[in-house]
Amino acid sequence: EAQVTQNPRYLITVTGKKLTVTCSQNMNHEYMSWYRQDPGLGLRQIYYSMNVEVTDKGDVPEGYKVSRKEKRNFPLILESPSPNQTSLYFCASSLGRIPNTGELFFGEGSRLTVL
Amino acid sequence: AQSVTQPDIHITVSEGASLELRCNYSYGATPYLFWYVQSPGQGLQLLLKYFSGDTLVQGIKGFEAEFKRSQSSFNLRKPSVHWSDAAEYFCAVGGNTDKLIFGTGTRLQVFP
Repeated sequence: EAQVTQNPRYLITVTGKKLTVTCSQNMNHEYMSWYRQDPGLGLRQIYYSMNVEVTDKGDVPEGYKVSRKEKRNFPLILESPSPNQTSLYFCASSLGRIPNTGELFFGEGSRLTVL
Repeated sequence: AQSVTQPDIHITVSEGASLELRCNYSYGATPYLFWYVQSPGQGLQLLLKYFSGDTLVQGIKGFEAEFKRSQSSFNLRKPSVHWSDAAEYFCAVGGNTDKLIFGTGTRLQVFP
């Protein structure tokens, strides 16, 4: 089954404790992206990647890191989480460039709480 | 600046009633427009998209949307809502960049 898989789905952590949210897709997609969803703000893009070893900042990259060492994986790293990073995070992928392919496939989300 | 506005935060309709969710966009170039649906506890799923051509586009689950360039709008419609349509709906705009700009969403509640 074609899917985007995120782990963990739920996480409660404390300020400053490094964490990684993994994202994996099995569709051989080139494009991958991370979003955060907050009430009243919709989805905001954190980082995206056009292909292996190619990443770029989205609208809200501060406090986050990503890497794209393999085509299928795109982990989101919070080196020193803070309470303002409490949010619902989505990983998404697309076959190619967004305007051309038009469809993002989303994971089920990872709800992160930073105390 | 590029932006998407969904004026209605929350809409409530009765099952079987018609539905229209509003979306207005601001985009300097030719826009590509999308509607996504997010069911509770799930990720987003594409309902429909508009790239060019016929301004009335059909999507999944009986939804349609109409692109009106003069009004910078891309409203989503459904003639008869089902209880399973209760979800949050997001409009998004893209173009010649590698990102989609999402609206803040409209939460749809359906009463029996």
